[in-house]
Amino acid sequence: DAKTTQPTSMDCAEGRAANLPCNHSTISGNEYVYWYRQIHSQGPQYIIHGLKNNETNEMASLIITEDRKSSTLILPHATLRDTAVYYCIVSTGTASKLTFGTGTRLQVTL
Amino acid sequence: GAVVSQHPSRVICKSGTSVKIECRSLDFQATTMFWYRQFPKQSLMLMATSNEGSKATYEQGVEKDKFLINHASLTLSTLTVTSAHPEDSSFYICSARSGTGDYEQYFGPGTRLTVT
Repeated sequence: DAKTTQPTSMDCAEGRAANLPCNHSTISGNEYVYWYRQIHSQGPQYIIHGLKNNETNEMASLIITEDRKSSTLILPHATLRDTAVYYCIVSTGTASKLTFGTGTRLQVTL
Repeated sequence: GAVVSQHPSRVICKSGTSVKIECRSLDFQATTMFWYRQFPKQSLMLMATSNEGSKATYEQGVEKDKFLINHASLTLSTLTVTSAHPEDSSFYICSARSGTGDYEQYFGPGTRLTVT
């Protein structure tokens, strides 16, 4: 699976949009971009995934560049409960294995 | 959404004893389950992949005789840590996927194991 690069940490004010970038320059044509988050001492939570089109669900939006070498997860109105480590993972569509990197620690503040 | 449970949520055991952790998919049939381990301030590391009715596939460096995985039904997988030692103390997390074209993995809440 392709490797991803994410900033170690980010801060965001409550109510503002949180934009979390991810670089995956070696992504293959059949690999999807997945986003999970892990709140302290809990299991990871699925957020969203996409192949090449932008995706949106009730939690977030995923913007994938046209060359698919990077993506951005957008939390439109961050709340304190969104404070977590966010993992960007690239994997094939069957998601047989998810390789977790170090992720981005998002701190939402008042 | 799909729910995965783990039991127990926390366990303390003495060195040399064995501990069994259960992972259940509550509202779907999980053809594949995964076991991860997470040490403090580190990311999740995949230990093994198990498919219902077949032997688990272990990641490199994971001792299969120490970490016994059983996936006997479509809703239950168990991880047994045998002859536990303090260095096995960790957060163990399972995940499951249904295998019906579902690209998501659903994670359990994790089990905190402390070996004294």
